[in-house]
Amino acid sequence: GAVVSQHPSWVICKSGTSVKIECRSLDFQATTMFWYRQFPKQSLMLMATSNEGSKATYEQGVEKDKFLINHASLTLSTLTVTSAHPEDSSFYICSARDVSLGQFFGPGTRLTVL
Amino acid sequence: RKEVEQDPGPFNVPEGATVAFNCTYSNSASQSFFWYRQDCRKEPKLLMSVYSSGNEDGRFTAQLNRASQYISLLIRDSKLSDSATYLCVVNSRTDSWGKFQFGAGTQVVVTP
Repeated sequence: GAVVSQHPSWVICKSGTSVKIECRSLDFQATTMFWYRQFPKQSLMLMATSNEGSKATYEQGVEKDKFLINHASLTLSTLTVTSAHPEDSSFYICSARDVSLGQFFGPGTRLTVL
Repeated sequence: RKEVEQDPGPFNVPEGATVAFNCTYSNSASQSFFWYRQDCRKEPKLLMSVYSSGNEDGRFTAQLNRASQYISLLIRDSKLSDSATYLCVVNSRTDSWGKFQFGAGTQVVVTP
């Protein structure tokens, strides 16, 4: 199947700093990528839909100014958590859609904000 | 009410036994259904799609009941490696493809 990578796989940062997470489709082009967040023992919650060349579509309750999404190319989307706080600590997962092969998830980024 | 609900478990299953569990969804416009498997601290991985007529993939059988709005997963001859959290995933025909609604998962623990 298609491969989606994320970087970094884990990050620890101080409260107030910004963290950028990259999501790449390695062997296919993805016009649409999705960003999810998962808290312990909870379901993955869709945060936003990232569209190449246009603004991301955010789900209700997700602050667009706090979670900046950029989909600069057909193989790269980035999520920047601005001014991170401990409550932003979570497992962030991206997924990308290949038209013929289906939906694939990245390995996730575990963010811990101290 | 959550759009997708699952019994969190854990379901403790002796090796070789059969285990089954359901997932209910609230949106009647849901059109695509999947079971994903998630291991601890890892990303979800597709286990199988769920078709209207029900489908089987080796030891795994998935069923869809549109009238009652639930899907089910049955695992036969459980292996230790089947221990994981099984996520029910639903995509609505009113949503763009890939915009999935996830259940919180059902934990399965297969014991020797």
